[in-house]
Amino acid sequence: GENVEQHPSTLSVQEGDSAVIKCTYSDSASNYFPWYKQELGKGPQLIIDIRSNVGEKKDQRIAVTLNKTAKHFSLHITETQPEDSAVYFCATPLGNTPLVFGKGTRLSVIA
Amino acid sequence: SQTIHQWPATLVQPVGSPLSLECTVEGTSNPNLYWYRQAAGRGLQLLFYSVGIGQISSEVPQNLSASRPQDRQFILSSKKLLLSDSGFYLCAWTTGADTQYFGPGTRLTVL
Repeated sequence: GENVEQHPSTLSVQEGDSAVIKCTYSDSASNYFPWYKQELGKGPQLIIDIRSNVGEKKDQRIAVTLNKTAKHFSLHITETQPEDSAVYFCATPLGNTPLVFGKGTRLSVIA
Repeated sequence: SQTIHQWPATLVQPVGSPLSLECTVEGTSNPNLYWYRQAAGRGLQLLFYSVGIGQISSEVPQNLSASRPQDRQFILSSKKLLLSDSGFYLCAWTTGADTQYFGPGTRLTVL
C-alpha cells in the first residue's frame, strides 16, 4: 500500500553535531515533501518543504534533499542546539490522501 | 495573517459519553480543513477532511464523525466514546496548496 517510511525512530546527538533523518515513499507521483517539528504537547510546525522540481533546499541550519529516482528525501540539521530537541515528521501526498506522515523521529540534542 | 484555534485544549471524558471538538480558522476563506489523531508516541492519522461547507471525506471508519457548518469551522464529534478514542486531536488547514498548518491540538483522555 501507499506509505512513508521514516528512520531512525530516535536520534541522539551532541550539541553542535549534525542530525540526518531520512524518509522513503512509495508513490512516484508524489511531488511535495514537507518536514514538521513537533514539541511536546503542541501541534506540528512546518519547518521546511521541497517540491519535486528542486533537488535541495536550505534555510539557515536546516536543509532538505530529494532523490526522486530513489524515492527518498532527507532532513539535515547542522550545528544542532538543545532547542532542536523535538519530534520530526516527514510527509508527502500519496494516492488520494492529501498528506501521509512518517511515524516520526525523536531527536535529542545533548548539551 | 491566518490563525487556527482548537478547543478545548484538554478533555477528560468517561467511556460512552459524547464528544464535540471544535476548530476554527481566521484570516482565510474557503480553506481545506483536516482532522488528525495522534496516539501517544505515534504518527498522525488522517481522520476526516473537508474541501467546503457540508463536504466531508472520511479516511478511517470509526465511531467518530465530522461536520463543517461554516466555511472556517470544523467539528469532530462522537455519540459514544471508546477507550481507544484517547489521543491528541489536531486540526489543520490549507488554502488548496499542499502545505498544511496545524492547530495547537486537543488532548482527549477517555476513562
